[in-house]
Amino acid sequence: TQLLEQSPQFLSIQEGENLTVYCNSSSVFSSLQWYRQEPGEGPVLLVTVVTGGEVKKLKRLTFQFGDARKDSSLHITAAQPGDTGLYLCAGESQAGTALIFGKGTTLSVSS
Amino acid sequence: NAGVMQNPRHLVRRRGQEARLRCSPVKGHSHVYWYRQLPEEGLKFMVYLQKENIIDESGMPKERFSAEFPKEGPSILRIQQVVRGDSAAYFCASSLNHRGLTDTQYFGPGTRLTVL
Repeated sequence: TQLLEQSPQFLSIQEGENLTVYCNSSSVFSSLQWYRQEPGEGPVLLVTVVTGGEVKKLKRLTFQFGDARKDSSLHITAAQPGDTGLYLCAGESQAGTALIFGKGTTLSVSS
Repeated sequence: NAGVMQNPRHLVRRRGQEARLRCSPVKGHSHVYWYRQLPEEGLKFMVYLQKENIIDESGMPKERFSAEFPKEGPSILRIQQVVRGDSAAYFCASSLNHRGLTDTQYFGPGTRLTVL
């Protein structure tokens, strides 16, 4: 069974701090995606990482895909209140017909 | 362009009633996916449909749940004889093509079902 485990489950920080959230699996994924979900809304895709060892940057967000393609991390520099939300990682199922999601990291950034 | 639209946004049903959830994909998208999000859990895949066909329903309970995506009109997720455990947020996503994660799934805002 393919599982994605995210840590930490909850993170509460002050504006300006840096943080890293993790997405780990015992399975190899062809690619992983990161989504951000705000309360009452659907997930919005942030990035897709495809190549082992790949690093992608989106403004203050840095995404990394592990060399073995079993894990990924999201690093946020100088967090802002607008970064508050649920961060989800997802990978493609073995059947290739669905996304498998981790349970997410709930981030709260206070000013 | 309009994104994925779902209605209703909130639905309240009593035990034993039917719940009908609608999803209009992004214009031109022919692939639709339904997911369920339970409190304290991540999004769980339920079913994948392509116009008029169910491609993968491995995540959908065998009883009481059904899904369709007709040639014309929105995709429908139907839950018959709802029970309290069906209370959840149901999300629909659509994609232009289906080539694994190389084709982005766009998510709707969800329908929050509450069963009393």
